Amino acid sequence: QVQLVESGGGVVQPGRSLRLSCAASGFSFSSYGIHWVRQAPGKGLEWVAVLWNAANDKYSADSVKGRFTTSRDNSKNTVYLQMNSLRAEDTAVYYCARDHGNDYEFDYWGQGTLVTVSS
Amino acid sequence: QAGLTQPPSVSKGLRQTATLTCTGNSNNVGNEGAVWLQQHQGHPPKLLSDRNNNRPSGISERLSASRSGITASLTITGLQPEDEADYYCSAWDSSLSAWVFGGGTKLTVL
Repeated sequence: QVQLVESGGGVVQPGRSLRLSCAASGFSFSSYGIHWVRQAPGKGLEWVAVLWNAANDKYSADSVKGRFTTSRDNSKNTVYLQMNSLRAEDTAVYYCARDHGNDYEFDYWGQGTLVTVSS
Repeated sequence: QAGLTQPPSVSKGLRQTATLTCTGNSNNVGNEGAVWLQQHQGHPPKLLSDRNNNRPSGISERLSASRSGITASLTITGLQPEDEADYYCSAWDSSLSAWVFGGGTKLTVL
């Protein structure tokens, strides 16, 4: 069955970096895009970024542009979210979600990983 | 990035019908459609309807999505206790080249 598993969250100081992973299984990984969506404690969902298979086929939210980058390793069925220059407002649960393409997005989600930015 | 507008809360009685709304603009909902997600406390979101208003397999027929202009709607009939959750809409914004979310609607089933 389709599974997405996030990892790499934790407590990090402001200005430091962290890399999240989203490991996929149960589907033909290279054919799909992967979104990152975050949710600050007690708040709503915020879209962060999406990455397709082509290296330049990616988009990100203005709030993270220049600080967060996405990449993927199809041999490991994994997408990464490299987060640099972290701020307190980046504190959130980070989810990855699958994108079929063809106007069919967010059909499977991981359980999320918590990132806390605090000194 | 400007988000989509959803009412913060809606309350309806058991077995009643609730209609949740999501308003955007011509760059997102109006031309791209909206997806609907349900999130129960402590759980990841779940897709209820794709941007073409189709329900994924396993989603109850009590749920139906529609769109009129720049407003998308999710209608839930015969409300059950398990429908009590947060509901989010989201759409691709072609002018921003980004996905935008609504602030979410907390549905309470009385």
